[in-house]
Amino acid sequence: DIHMTQSPSSLSASVGDRVTITCRANQSISNYLNWYQQKPGKAPKLLIYGATSLQSGVPSRFSGSGSGTDFTLTITSLQPEDFATYCCQQSYSTRMYTFGQGTKLEIK
Amino acid sequence: QVTLKESGPVLVKPTETLTLTCTVSGFSLSNARMGVTWIRQPPGKALEWLAHISSNDEKYYSTSLKSRLTISKDTSKSHVVLTMTNMDPVDTATYYCARTHWLTLHNWFDPWGQGILVTVSS
Repeated sequence: DIHMTQSPSSLSASVGDRVTITCRANQSISNYLNWYQQKPGKAPKLLIYGATSLQSGVPSRFSGSGSGTDFTLTITSLQPEDFATYCCQQSYSTRMYTFGQGTKLEIK
Repeated sequence: QVTLKESGPVLVKPTETLTLTCTVSGFSLSNARMGVTWIRQPPGKALEWLAHISSNDEKYYSTSLKSRLTISKDTSKSHVVLTMTNMDPVDTATYYCARTHWLTLHNWFDPWGQGILVTVSS
């Protein structure tokens, strides 16, 4: 199975900050990487697919980059509604999808 | 508007079989670019992919849970059903269904249902 590791596990930041979350795969997954946002008590919401493509309706302050084994999610100018948990997911192995453990973004 | 909604028991006893239904609307289960996936999340823990069914009825299962899972669909009813046998308290989780959307070779889960919290306890 492809193992996904996110760092950091948690992160404190302030409104207006720029933050970066990293996701690493234990083997190359090309650009088959998706990012989700999850707020407490809610279902995850797709933010980025194909490592860099912004899902329709998602603010442009969210961006994704990376290929191979290392990926990043960047949020520029944090807004109050961005404080949530972020999770990566590989779609390279469609017979066994896997998620990262999540990064909780909290208000400093 | 595409929506998915999970239904089923919220409490099951250890060793029982869990049957969950995902009712979809706004897309057809026979659409070649669409499938349905089940994912779960134990309280306070990470998401875990369980199973997927494609438009042409291909089925894939988590390697660690394969022996306990069965996924099926009824296209006419817009239902996707997941059964999990021999439930244990460690299976307590929120169970989500989500549409798997394909574009060329890429795919992703969007949207998700609201989830159903299933507790396993005697």
